[in-house]
Amino acid sequence: QLQLQESGPGLVKPSETLSLTCTVSGGSISSSSYYWGWIRQPPGKGLEWIGTIYHTGYTYYNPSLKSRLTISVDTSKNQYSLQVNSVTAADTAVYYCAPYCFATSCYTRRAFGVWGQGTTVTVSS
Amino acid sequence: QSALTQPPSASGSPGQSVTISCTGTSSDVGGYDYVSWYQQHPGKAPKLMIYEVTKRPSGVPDRFSGSKSGNTASLTVSGLQAEDEAHYYCDSYAGNNNVVFGGGTKLTVL
Repeated sequence: QLQLQESGPGLVKPSETLSLTCTVSGGSISSSSYYWGWIRQPPGKGLEWIGTIYHTGYTYYNPSLKSRLTISVDTSKNQYSLQVNSVTAADTAVYYCAPYCFATSCYTRRAFGVWGQGTTVTVSS
Repeated sequence: QSALTQPPSASGSPGQSVTISCTGTSSDVGGYDYVSWYQQHPGKAPKLMIYEVTKRPSGVPDRFSGSKSGNTASLTVSGLQAEDEAHYYCDSYAGNNNVVFGGGTKLTVL
């Protein structure tokens, strides 16, 4: 059973870069069946898909955030990471990582069946 | 891509049924049978309740069911119980490995 854990600073200054890492256990990030996703939730608001990455490094980004995003993968550490540049208060949110299984063999195909516990990031000076 | 449209709130008494809608476009909900529903209690991570429009993961009660007609998907909770009170979010595959979420619906059990 896949388990994911987000980590990173809880406080980031405006205009700086937010950096988070998701550590995957219980399975390989190099699986051919999964994309690895980031989702965020501002306080009191709904969920927003940020983007996903395949183990080869191919990325898919939310068009509204694309210009400020970088998602990368480190297969040797079974981790993937998120960077958001030039943050503002609007980037304050709980950030979740979750796998997105897309293969025909998936049990929960094209859904986020497992979620990390989430990490709170506040953008403030 | 725009967020899917959900009603902000829904409610029902214990034992009743309630249906929550999720409206998109032909580019997402209407174009693919990949609509999912998530339940989120306060301070917790979302939990997958329905995937591929109608399928339930193991462990999800059969009181939860999903359907779709055109560009609108629906989640029905039958036999409402107190523990069903939560926020519910839909998402849909939107092509080219993009995903779009709904704005969320707060379900209140009266």
